[in-house]
Amino acid sequence: KAGVTQTPRYLIKTRGQQVTLSCSPISGHRSVSWYQQTPGQGLQFLFEYFSETQRNKGNFPGRFSGRQFSNSRSEMNVSTLELGDSALYLCASSRQGTANTEAFFGQGTRLTVV
Amino acid sequence: SQQGEEDPQALSIQEGENATMNCSYKTSINNLQWYRQNSGRGLVHLILIRSNEREKHSGRLRVTLDTSKKSSSLLITASRAADTASYFCATDRMDSSYKLIFGSGTRLLVRP
Repeated sequence: KAGVTQTPRYLIKTRGQQVTLSCSPISGHRSVSWYQQTPGQGLQFLFEYFSETQRNKGNFPGRFSGRQFSNSRSEMNVSTLELGDSALYLCASSRQGTANTEAFFGQGTRLTVV
Repeated sequence: SQQGEEDPQALSIQEGENATMNCSYKTSINNLQWYRQNSGRGLVHLILIRSNEREKHSGRLRVTLDTSKKSSSLLITASRAADTASYFCATDRMDSSYKLIFGSGTRLLVRP
């Protein structure tokens, strides 16, 4: 069974630009979550989607947004990029959400803002 | 903010030895999961233990959970060089579901 697929794997953007990251969950998984990982802050939760509805959101500014499509694929968008947005962005999928089942992560998208 | 703290922050052992990592958290949980990460790549799921379970095994891994102390431990027996990685605990809190809150991680180095 294919795992969680994130694209692109690497991205370099300039301050002020916007970026869209994509995540395809494991087949049959309806919950998709996004996390940001930085050396200083560690792994932090961004948001979670289930059946196209956002069920939980972390403490990030409104520049960070996401959505989920009817096929469970998800995208996250960061607008007006700042240097501090440089991070590894990880997507996780699970059947119904992490309260009941394991979450499986993709390889991540490494975003560098210059 | 991070729910959990892990200790030690770094651990260096010889191949064949056992490695024990500890995780503490602050609020009541639905479950606790352990993950491994190699060199800034994706997280690999190792084991999930529910709040009503006290111990689980998976191959060379043994996880314990003490909800009264709000702590968990991960034991890797007979370690191998390939076990070198960062290990994270993650909790799903009862008061804020559908998200995992990660600890700060333990960097494990297994020397051949």
